[in-house]
Amino acid sequence: GENVEQHPSTLSVQEGDSAVIKCTYSDSASNYFPWYKQELGKGPQLIIDIRSNVGEKKDQRIAVTLNKTAKHFSLHITETQPEDSAVYFCAAFLLGSNFGNEKLTFGTGTRLTIIP
Amino acid sequence: EAGVTQFPSHSVIEKGQTVTLRCDPISGHDNLYWYRRVMGKEIKFLLHFVKESKQDESGMPNNRFLAERTGGTYSTLKVQPAELEDSGVYFCASSHRIGEQFFGPGTRLTVL
Repeated sequence: GENVEQHPSTLSVQEGDSAVIKCTYSDSASNYFPWYKQELGKGPQLIIDIRSNVGEKKDQRIAVTLNKTAKHFSLHITETQPEDSAVYFCAAFLLGSNFGNEKLTFGTGTRLTIIP
Repeated sequence: EAGVTQFPSHSVIEKGQTVTLRCDPISGHDNLYWYRRVMGKEIKFLLHFVKESKQDESGMPNNRFLAERTGGTYSTLKVQPAELEDSGVYFCASSHRIGEQFFGPGTRLTVL
């Protein structure tokens, strides 16, 4: 089955600087890679996703890059703000599977702390 | 639109007891998923319902766990009897179409 590794487990960044979180996946068939943000007391919220036919996607201060050959993808947050502090999870998924294998495989999470 | 809701938010039980967790998905979402996060580890898939049918229950740890979704609306996850290693946060998610899953706030289960 799919295995997703995520690094680093913790990350502290000065407010205004950029943060990068990296993930690798094992199953080359995976074709959908969402990123979730989990704030204290809440469930994971989808913040951005990318499909395997795209190399990069941006949404304001957040961007995700995907390298299919190397099987890794990264989350980039620019101009970080205190409200970016949270736990971030990457995940891999096989869209369009005919085998009922429609489950997200998550990384272990990165606790991001923005230092004011 | 109301999001995914879960009840209770927190449950503390003794080893050997029974606990039932409930999830109410977003209205109209046929797909409902259960996940679990054990302290400091990844969020792991437990099972997937399509309406009232179990599509994939490959992640269920053992037969102490029973999930139901009668009528294709809300779902329950029962743990009986609970063991120490069952402690963790149990998340429910729902989706209208495959891929984009919306998560509930989770139920933190502590087994003493």
